[in-house]
Amino acid sequence: TQLLEQSPQFLSIQEGENLTVYCNSSSVFSSLQWYRQEPGEGPVLLVTVVTGGEVKKLKRLTFQFGDARKDSSLHITAAQTGDTGLYLCAGADYGQNFVFGPGTRLSVLP
Amino acid sequence: DSGVTQTPKHLITATGQRVTLRCSPRSGDLSVYWYQQSLDQGLQFLIQYYNGEERAKGNILERFSAQQFPDLHSELNLSSLELGDSALYFCASSETPAHEQYFGPGTRLTVT
Repeated sequence: TQLLEQSPQFLSIQEGENLTVYCNSSSVFSSLQWYRQEPGEGPVLLVTVVTGGEVKKLKRLTFQFGDARKDSSLHITAAQTGDTGLYLCAGADYGQNFVFGPGTRLSVLP
Repeated sequence: DSGVTQTPKHLITATGQRVTLRCSPRSGDLSVYWYQQSLDQGLQFLIQYYNGEERAKGNILERFSAQQFPDLHSELNLSSLELGDSALYFCASSETPAHEQYFGPGTRLTVT
């Protein structure tokens, strides 16, 4: 059974700070996705990474897929209160099975 | 807007009752997933369908059942409801099981 672990579980920071959250597994994934979920709403897809070592940037967010395709990180520069939410990573293996991590709950304080 | 629709948005019912949640996937998506999310918890995978056939099962209770119809919409049936079934229920869809999922807005179920 594949498992995706995310760390930290909770993170509370001040507006303007930088942060990195991690997604790790012992399994290899064909692709990995990051989602952000706000309270009471459905998760929203932020990015998909498919190539080992790939780095993708979306404004202040930088996503990296590990060389071995087993882990990923999300770095946020100069966090804003609007970044508050639950960040979920999800991976698809080569058997076309999809698994979600438990999430990192980020709180950005003004 | 993800293109995935769910109805109803809110549902309040009593213990022991039965409800049906409905999901219409994005146009062209063949795979549908159901998730349960209790307050401040992560997503609990319930069940997946692909092109009308059940493909994977997660922690779905025997009181719960689902199906995907020929037009690809899906329904999740919850019966003999208990207080602990109160949660947000999300439907997601994807082009194939290996593609990224797009989530609907969810149905908030309250069992009193």
